[in-house]
Amino acid sequence: RKEVEQDPGPFNVPEGATVAFNCTYSNSASQSFFWYRQDCRKEPKLLMSVYSSGNEDGRFTAQLNRASQYISLLIRDSKLSDSATYLCVVKGYSTLTFGKGTMLLVSP
Amino acid sequence: DAGVTQSPTHLIKTRGQQVTLRCSPISGHKSVSWYQQVLGQGPQFIFQYYEKEERGRGNFPDRFSARQFPNYSSELNVNALLLGDSALYLCASSLAPNSGKLFFGSGTQLSVL
Repeated sequence: RKEVEQDPGPFNVPEGATVAFNCTYSNSASQSFFWYRQDCRKEPKLLMSVYSSGNEDGRFTAQLNRASQYISLLIRDSKLSDSATYLCVVKGYSTLTFGKGTMLLVSP
Repeated sequence: DAGVTQSPTHLIKTRGQQVTLRCSPISGHKSVSWYQQVLGQGPQFIFQYYEKEERGRGNFPDRFSARQFPNYSSELNVNALLLGDSALYLCASSLAPNSGKLFFGSGTQLSVL
């Protein structure tokens, strides 16, 4: 089993849609969790941290379920500019492990 | 303020050659990490340095080495290049060594022919 697994993409959605990405991790000792965004041919950028109680940043909501070792990212009211690859990131004791990423394509 | 800078942006080498990639972190950041990203995959951890000491090493062969300088800049060296080393090499800096909040440079695209 891979350390971090994400939904295979791409996700094709129209503007205004709500889309959810899922991620599972294998190491129950993982300490913290993040979502990064990577535009085509660009570097990854931190989108948001994921807290145990769940957290929201505008149109973006992140959830963590430690018992199921599962992380999610919900994007509401999708914009064309949300088109990117979303990377699930899990932090162990000292290193970060990135998932393969899920590509989102938002169309007019 | 300058972000993380990497050089060169692109590099073409042949099998068996050696390459050195360079990275300057954000001012004030003392931790530098290196990642390899193959097309269609997520970044894979290679090394982390903090205060000039290696703090972590990923599952890469000994052909890969790195160091950090007193000004916190860093170099990644890869010897005896293989075709499979072709990838985007990303450098990231952070304030603390265990931070999950990384700031990435735009990377060096290495092609091995």
